[in-house]
Amino acid sequence: EPEVTQTPSHQVTQMGQEVILRCVPISNHLYFYWYRQILGQKVEFLVSFYNNEISEKSEIFDDQFSVERPDGSNFTLKIRSTKLEDSAMYFCASSLAVLMGDTQYFGPGTRLTVL
Amino acid sequence: QKEVEQNSGPLSVPEGAIASLNCTYSDRGSQSFFWYRQYSGKSPELIMSIYSNGDKEDGRFTAQLNKASQYVSLLIRDSQPSDSATYLCAVKVARDSNYQLIWGAGTKLIIKP
Repeated sequence: EPEVTQTPSHQVTQMGQEVILRCVPISNHLYFYWYRQILGQKVEFLVSFYNNEISEKSEIFDDQFSVERPDGSNFTLKIRSTKLEDSAMYFCASSLAVLMGDTQYFGPGTRLTVL
Repeated sequence: QKEVEQNSGPLSVPEGAIASLNCTYSDRGSQSFFWYRQYSGKSPELIMSIYSNGDKEDGRFTAQLNKASQYVSLLIRDSQPSDSATYLCAVKVARDSNYQLIWGAGTKLIIKP
């Protein structure tokens, strides 16, 4: 069964460093998403991406964040200068379309720890 | 403000009993509703989706939707210890020309053997 994959599973970085989180969405899916979940808190939407551009972003997704689809398979989230409060699980998701009924499938997540 | 609310729990249910999880939402225009299960340290996993008023059954799981009252629930019959997890309610809302998933904080379910 096709699945979303993410690497690395755990990333430890120093405050102020840049990190890139990688995702490979399900191959025939067209819409891609990043979510964040701080430990013990709710899942928070960061950004959605379609046709090589951002289609929606939340208030969390400020200038420190960027997304890219550098080739036909990878979808990346870059945090330019990490802060302590960026420590969280980051989930990538993908969906075939963005209609009301379409389901988003989640990757296993990357745990980011900022020291 | 578009919100999805759930009781955080924990909800403790004896093995073999029915677990009932509830979710309310504020946006009357919402059309799609999803229940995800999340084990500790893992990603959300889709359990059920529902779009129409009434009940939808899938194995031991039944989703119930009442748009007039703006609530959606999940029933788990014959609860098993492996059902112990946090259950997330997600509601898809229209925003400009896109749709966005709005998440509840989740209800922690504990099934006691």
